[in-house]
Amino acid sequence: KAGVTQTPRYLIKTRGQQVTLSCSPISGHRSVSWYQQTPGQGLQFLFEYFSETQRNKGNFPGRFSGRQFSNSRSEMNVSTLELGDSALYLCASSLLGGVGDEQYFGPGTRLTVT
Amino acid sequence: AQSVTQLDSQVPVFEEAPVELRCNYSSSVSVYLFWYVQYPNQGLQLLLKYLSGSTLVKGINGFEAEFNKSQTSFHLRKPSVHISDTAEYFCAVSDFQGAQKLVFGQGTRLTINP
Repeated sequence: KAGVTQTPRYLIKTRGQQVTLSCSPISGHRSVSWYQQTPGQGLQFLFEYFSETQRNKGNFPGRFSGRQFSNSRSEMNVSTLELGDSALYLCASSLLGGVGDEQYFGPGTRLTVT
Repeated sequence: AQSVTQLDSQVPVFEEAPVELRCNYSSSVSVYLFWYVQYPNQGLQLLLKYLSGSTLVKGINGFEAEFNKSQTSFHLRKPSVHISDTAEYFCAVSDFQGAQKLVFGQGTRLTINP
């Protein structure tokens, strides 16, 4: 069974640009969550999608958005990039996103903003 | 709101020695507790989880953790470590309302010396 895949793995963008990251969950998984990992703030929850609906949201500005497609694939978008958005963005999928459902993490997309 | 404190940012130990990584949490509601491991340039992998029931939880790779409600702790232990255990370890918490919304600690870097 293939794991969670994220594309691209590495990305370099300039301040002010926007970026879209993609996540393909494990086959059959319907819940997809996104996390931001930085040396200073650690791992922080961005949002979770289930059946194309955002079910939970973390404390991030509106520049961070996401969506989920009918095949459960998810994308997250960051507009008007700032230097502080440089981070490893991790995607995780789980079967139904319920209590006890294990989250399987992808390898992440490393975004560098210059 | 929940929070997680990992009491040690770095823990060096010798191979085959026992290790304990400490984790304390704060929450006003019942929580679910997790330990994840992150190897260099990889995503996170679940080591073990506590949802309910027995307070001693056994996980993969010989790790175990004990949930202590009165001390709000969930320390991770391994009786004998190997070089391959060198990694960063994260304690995390979630609750019923946001089962997939993990709140992570800052991480503990475990270094195994030969």
